[in-house]
Amino acid sequence: EVQLVESGGGLVQPGGSLRLSCEATGLIVNEAHMSWVRQTPGQGMEWVSRLTSGRVTDYADSVRGRFSTSSATSKNTLYLQMDNLRVEDTGIYYCVRGPALWGDFDHWGQGTLVTVSS
Amino acid sequence: EIVLTQSPGTLSLSPGERATLSCRASRRIDNNYLAWYQQKPGQAPRRLVYGVSNRATGIPDRFSGSGYGTDFALTISRLEPEDVAVYFCQQNRESVTFGKGTKVEIK
Repeated sequence: EVQLVESGGGLVQPGGSLRLSCEATGLIVNEAHMSWVRQTPGQGMEWVSRLTSGRVTDYADSVRGRFSTSSATSKNTLYLQMDNLRVEDTGIYYCVRGPALWGDFDHWGQGTLVTVSS
Repeated sequence: EIVLTQSPGTLSLSPGERATLSCRASRRIDNNYLAWYQQKPGQAPRRLVYGVSNRATGIPDRFSGSGYGTDFALTISRLEPEDVAVYFCQQNRESVTFGKGTKVEIK
């Protein structure tokens, strides 16, 4: 059974940084396409970033240059480093497997809440 | 960016009724990369349908997806109380975008 468990969310001031973690069981992170998807009050559900099995990264325009996704093989964990955070980055961040063969996301973590506020 | 417009915003039906949720794309999704998700209150989304009409593992057969081009639908043939949720469509024809969701309520 695939399980994705996020951690690292919290309250941060505008301009600050956070690193989210996603520990995976039932799949090997480095052998899958993995993404971060967030749900914000302003934009609803929004794809944030992707790390492919070929180690290629891609980002939404809204976060490119501020967010960075990576993984640790030994820990089977996906990361999202978030710098220069803005109020509009506030939301629940989900670790997901995908895009899969049909461009969908077949497994979701429970999410971690990020609040950017002064 | 392909914009997905979902309607109605809220659907209120009685148990046993048929629910039809619409997802309209601003451009054709001709690779059939269209999926549907269910999000119950306080939970993460769950994939229901992928590739327009393929039901995900463990999803009851009262859920079905259909459509092509720019018009897609999720149908719940007989609504049950546990189907109360927000339903999202998502495409990956060009990058990834999601619709704003349709909230399904029980009368």
